Order: sequence, then structure tokens, then C-alpha cells
Amino acid sequence: EDQVTQSPEALRLQEGESSSLNCSYTVSGLRGLFWYRQDPGKGPEFLFTLYSAGEEKEKERLKATLTKKESFLHITAPKPEDSATYLCAARGSNYKLTFGKGTLLTVNP
Amino acid sequence: NAGVTQTPKFQVLKTGQSMTLQCAQDMNHEYMSWYRQDPGMGLRLIHYSVGAGITDQGEVPNGYNVSRSTTEDFPLRLLSAAPSQTSVYFCASSYSADTYEQYFGPGTRLTVT
Repeated sequence: EDQVTQSPEALRLQEGESSSLNCSYTVSGLRGLFWYRQDPGKGPEFLFTLYSAGEEKEKERLKATLTKKESFLHITAPKPEDSATYLCAARGSNYKLTFGKGTLLTVNP
Repeated sequence: NAGVTQTPKFQVLKTGQSMTLQCAQDMNHEYMSWYRQDPGMGLRLIHYSVGAGITDQGEVPNGYNVSRSTTEDFPLRLLSAAPSQTSVYFCASSYSADTYEQYFGPGTRLTVT
């Protein structure tokens, strides 16, 4: 059974304090590792797709990386507007997307 | 493009009532899916469709029906609502079932009393 585990469950940072969110996965035949951002009361918003170990993608203050067992979302010099829940999801050989429970990020000014 | 749209935004049902949650996309996506999101549980797949006329069950399909008569629409039917179906429901679509990212609608918050 495919599994995705995110840690920590919640993270509180000061503005400018860089950190990383972790997503570990057990998926048969990975066909993509996805990161989403979700604001309260809204649907998840797509951020990145990673396909193979060693791949990296960046967008503003966010950088996602992938290994054979984990993905990290690095947040550099975060701002209060980066506060959200970040979701990780993996698609395996059955084409279904398995989501982690998310990391609630709060960035204080 | 409007993207993925869902109606209604909020709904309150009594136990035993039935209703249909609507989902539409204007991106010509082949793959569409329904998820429910509950506190502490993450997003769980209910049903999905890889194209018009083709549907299949996800992780938590009991109590829900779907059909896909057109590429654009993918309604979710609750046959006899139960309090356990109180949740936030999201519809999502992607270009194909393979490796492409899914785009989510704004969600429907359903309460069953």
C-alpha cells in the first residue's frame, strides 16, 4: 500500500528564518511527487512536480528536492504570506495520488 | 479559463437525504477525481475517471456514486447521507491519469445532521 508521511505536523517560523519540510514516501513505481499549498477554506494549489531522484525545482522562496525515499520543501527567508498548509502527494504505478496529512506552516512577522 | 468549478460551496443535509455535488472543468482534461478532506486524515480519494464513460473506485467509495457522461462534468452523488459524510469535498482534474499534476476546485463543505 502506498504511503506518504509528512513532518513536522506544524512549524512556526519567524520571518526570514529558513527551514525545510519533509515528505517521506513508500510508493510502488513512482510516477511523480507533487507539492501543493492550501490556504484555509480553499482548494490545494499546485506548486511542483518532481519525477526522479536528484531533481530540484524552485519558485520564489520555495525549492523542492527529491531523493529515492524523501522529498524536501525548502523555504528560504519566509514571509508571513507563506503561511499555509503544505501538502505532499505521490503517484504510484496504479496512477492514484496518495496524499500526506500536510504541514501547517506559520510565519510570524 | 475558469479552471475547476464546484457547486454548491456549502450544503447542510439531514440524515437520509440525497444530493449531487457538481464539478466541471473547462481545460479539456481527461482525468477527474473526487476527494474528501477530514481533520487529521488528509485528502482521500473517493472516485475517479480516466475519461468520459469510465469511472472507478478510490480509497473510500462507499455511499457515493459517480458518472462521467461528458469530458467536462463529473458529478458526485450521495445516495443516503450519513453524519460520517460530513466533510469538505474537492474535485480535481488533470490532463491525463499518468504523470500530470491535478488542479483542484474550491471545495464544497457538507454537513450532515
